Amino acid sequence: EVQLVESGGGLVQPGGSLRLSCAASGFTVSSNYMSWVRQAPGKGLEWVSVIYSGGSPYYADSVKGRFTISRDNSKNTLYLQMNSLRAEDTAVYYCASANFDYWGQGTLVTVSS
Amino acid sequence: QAVLTQPSSLSASPGASASLTCTLRSGINLGTYRIYWFQQKPGSPPQFLLRYKSDSDKQQGSGVPSRFSGSKDASANAGILLISGLQSEDEADYYCMIWHSSASVFGGGTKLTVL
Repeated sequence: EVQLVESGGGLVQPGGSLRLSCAASGFTVSSNYMSWVRQAPGKGLEWVSVIYSGGSPYYADSVKGRFTISRDNSKNTLYLQMNSLRAEDTAVYYCASANFDYWGQGTLVTVSS
Repeated sequence: QAVLTQPSSLSASPGASASLTCTLRSGINLGTYRIYWFQQKPGSPPQFLLRYKSDSDKQQGSGVPSRFSGSKDASANAGILLISGLQSEDEADYYCMIWHSSASVFGGGTKLTVL
């Protein structure tokens, strides 16, 4: 059974950092692309980043230069390092498997002083 | 102009059909894209419903009923999610998505009310 479990969210001050994790089971994260998608409170879905099987990352313009996607194949885990956080980064962050077939339950990131 | 435009809301009656549209920005060729569709209910993550490029290139999500289907309207440059035999449980937000220039783009979502 495929399962994605996010962790690492929480309350952080503007300018701070957080690292989100997405532990996968039932498939190998390096076998295909993996994505992060976020949803601000009461808003729609916003794609954040993708990492392809070969390791190439791509980012939304809104997070480029501040966020870094990576994975640890030995832990079968996807990460999102978020630096220089802003209030507008407040959202539930979801990880999703290739083709967005499977999604985690999400982890809430709140950026506030 | 947004890459993908969806009507913000739609209402339909139980048992009827609902056609949800996802219009691509002018200049973006509908025929070259797979349109992904997702359903999201309050407090839950999105669920993949299906993706559709053509009748020979489509995929239904695991466990998704066949009354959810995809198509395209070339004249409107739009992808369409058709839900037939509407049920109360279909009341949800629906999002379309495409891969465009190495980035994924979501539409703003349509809130479907079944009443």
